Parts: sequence; structure tokens; C-alpha cells
Amino acid sequence: AQSVTQLDSQVPVFEEAPVELRCNYSSSVSVYLFWYVQYPNQGLQLLLKYLSGSTLVKGINGFEAEFNKSQTSFHLRKPSVHISDTAEYFCAVRLYTGGFKTIFGAGTRLFVKA
Amino acid sequence: IAGITQAPTSQILAAGRRMTLRCTQDMRHNAMYWYRQDLGLGLRLIHYSNTAGTTGKGEVPDGYSVSRANTDDFPLTLASAVPSQTSVYFCASSRTSDIGELFFGEGSRLTVL
Repeated sequence: AQSVTQLDSQVPVFEEAPVELRCNYSSSVSVYLFWYVQYPNQGLQLLLKYLSGSTLVKGINGFEAEFNKSQTSFHLRKPSVHISDTAEYFCAVRLYTGGFKTIFGAGTRLFVKA
Repeated sequence: IAGITQAPTSQILAAGRRMTLRCTQDMRHNAMYWYRQDLGLGLRLIHYSNTAGTTGKGEVPDGYSVSRANTDDFPLTLASAVPSQTSVYFCASSRTSDIGELFFGEGSRLTVL
């Protein structure tokens, strides 16, 4: 069965510090990988995606992620966070099993402290 | 601004009542989806539609129904609400039903008492 595991439910970090939000997936078929961000009382919006090509992908707001096929991971990183990065982050995989579907992780709440 | 509009934003509902959550998109996307978001569980797919006139069941379809009479609208109906349907509901769309990214509405918070 396919699944997405976000290894940390909450990540507190000080402003201007680096951060990594971890995501692992399990799938027997090829996947397309996404990170979405949800600010308080809003819907999700796309942060970045990996469809093919270079395994290092850059997204909005200075975030980047690296696809590691051998470790089935797609960790999200930012070298220096801001207070405004406080939000919930969701890793998701899209795959084909008789039809395309998207599976979301449970989310990681990033809390940036001053 | 183009996007997805959901209504109502928030609703408190007595158990046993019927409720329809509305979703309209103006991006002419082919595929639309309904998710529910519950703490610690992420987003779970309720129903989807790959194109107007077709619908399919997602991961948690029981107690919910949808219709897709045209490209823009994708209402979600709870025929007889139960407390376990208390959740935040998100409508989403994608340009196509294959590898595309999802675009989300702002959500409808539903409380069933």
C-alpha cells in the first residue's frame, strides 16, 4: 500500500535558523512529489513539486527539496526561516494505480520563534 | 482573482440534518476533488471528478455524495449529518486528472452537534 510519512508533527525553530522538514513515502509505482503549505485559516497552496529531471527542486519563499529515490524521501529545507514561515506543511505524492490519486502526509507544523 | 470559492465558510449543524457545501472554480479545470482535514490525519479524499459528468469515490466516501453537472461546480452533500463528520472540508481542482498540482479553496468548517 502507498503511504506518506512526515516524521515530525511539530518543528519549533528560531528565526534565521535553518530548517528541514522530513518526508518519506512508500510506493511500488513511480510517484510525483509535492510540498504544500497551509497558513492559518487558509487552504493549501503549492510550495514546490518534483515531476522529473533534476532531483533538487526550488520553490517559492526560498524553500527547496531533494528527491532521493533510493531512500524514498523528499525532505524540505530552508537555509534561514522567517516568522512568516510559521504554517503547516504537507508532503504529498501523486501516483497512478488504475487512476491518478494524491496521498497526503499528516502534516508538520513549523513554528518560527523570534 | 481566479480560483476556487467555497461556501459556507463555517456552519454549525444539528445531527440528522442535510447539508450541501458549495464549490465553484473559474479556472476551467477538468478535475475537482473534495477532501476533509482532521488533526493528525492530514487530508483524506472524499470524492473526486475527473471531468464534468463523471464522479468517483475516494478514501472516505461514506455519508457523502457529489455531482458534477458542469465544469465549474462540484457540490458536496451530507444527506444526514453525524458528529463524526465534524471537520474542515476543502474543495480542490487540477487542470487535468493526471500529474497536475492541486489548487485549493479556503475551506468550510463544519460542526455537527
